[in-house]
Formats: sequence, C-alpha cells, structure tokens
Amino acid sequence: EAGVTQFPSHSVIEKGQTVTLRCDPISGHDNLYWYRRVMGKEIKFLLHFVKESKQDESGMPNNRFLAERTGGTYSTLKVQPAELEDSGVYFCASSGGGTQYFGPGTRLTVL
Amino acid sequence: GEDVEQSLFLSVREGDSSVINCTYTDSSSTYLYWYKQEPGAGLQLLTYIFSNMDMKQDQRLTVLLNKKDKHLSLRIADTQTGDSAIYFCAGVAGAGSYQLTFGKGTKLSVIP
Repeated sequence: EAGVTQFPSHSVIEKGQTVTLRCDPISGHDNLYWYRRVMGKEIKFLLHFVKESKQDESGMPNNRFLAERTGGTYSTLKVQPAELEDSGVYFCASSGGGTQYFGPGTRLTVL
Repeated sequence: GEDVEQSLFLSVREGDSSVINCTYTDSSSTYLYWYKQEPGAGLQLLTYIFSNMDMKQDQRLTVLLNKKDKHLSLRIADTQTGDSAIYFCAGVAGAGSYQLTFGKGTKLSVIP
C-alpha cells in the first residue's frame, strides 16, 4: 500500500511569488493534516481536514496560506504571496482516526 | 496546550545502548509517539505508547513512560550506524484534539 506522498519534494521561489504544495494521503484515510518545520524550530501543526471539511485550522499562520481538499482526497496548500519566513519543510500526514503517517515533506525555500 | 522538550544531541558508540529522553506537560495526552527522520527523508513512525502503559518493547526499542513525572524515554539497544537520525517525541495537544505537538528533535550520532 502506498504511503503519503507529497509534491514537489523541493521548491525554490522568490519572495512575492505563489507556490502550491500537494499531498496525497493514504487511500481511505479521512483525516489529513498539514504541519511545517521552520529552520531550528519545532514541527508545528497547521491544520486538519476530515474528508473535505476543515476540522481545525488554528495553526495556520495568516491569510497568505490557503488549504483545500476538494472531494476529500488529495489536498493542496497554497502560499500567496510567499515571504522569506515561509521557508521550511512542509509535512503532510494522514490517519484513519488514530496514528498519523507522514509524507516525506516539501522543502520550500523563499529567496 | 502541550509542550514537549527534548535534548538536542546524543552521541553513542556502535553497539552501545542509546537513551533519548522527552518531557511533556499535558497529562491528558492519550498516546505518545516516537518518530524518526533520517537524512533527506520524511518522518517515519517508530513506535508509540498508550498513556495507561508503563513500558512497551518492540525488538531493539523500549519505550518507558513515567506519567507522574511526565517523562518519556526511547531506548535503542545495540545501536547501529543506521540508527543515526533525528528522533522526535510527540503527543496530542489535549483531550479531543488531533494536533500532534513535537519536540525539537534529538539528533543521534552513532560512532563506528
């Protein structure tokens, strides 16, 4: 069974540009989470989907971040416009209700 | 909310045991997890322990939970060079929550 996949693995953009990250959860997992790790800091929760609904978006830093999960399958996280402090590794995880399984992450660098 | 603290670095010789420690603040955490991140890779679930357990053993891994002191440890027996990685302790943020709260991670270096 395929694990959580994320695309792209790396993205380098300039400040002010837009980037869209994609996450494909494990098939059948209703719960999908986004986390990020900024350099030198802890991995922080961003938001949680149950199917296509946002269950908890308390960790989203500001309105430059938009997450969607249309159809309750894959999810996208768009950053528009990107700022320097958005650089870090963005992780996606999915679960069937318990243990969260993580993807490999997308490393975002904003120059 | 939950706070999780870990020491940042640990260095051990190949064949020795490694003990990675973690303290947490939220006693309502139902599950506590250990994740492993190898260089250039994502987070791999290593093991977890339910809050009503004191110990869990899985091959070379032993997890100890002291609920009174809110202390969690991961012991790796016969540490190998392939165990070199960053180990993250994580717990849920509170009752009814799904948010995982992570420590900063302990970088384990295994000396051949």
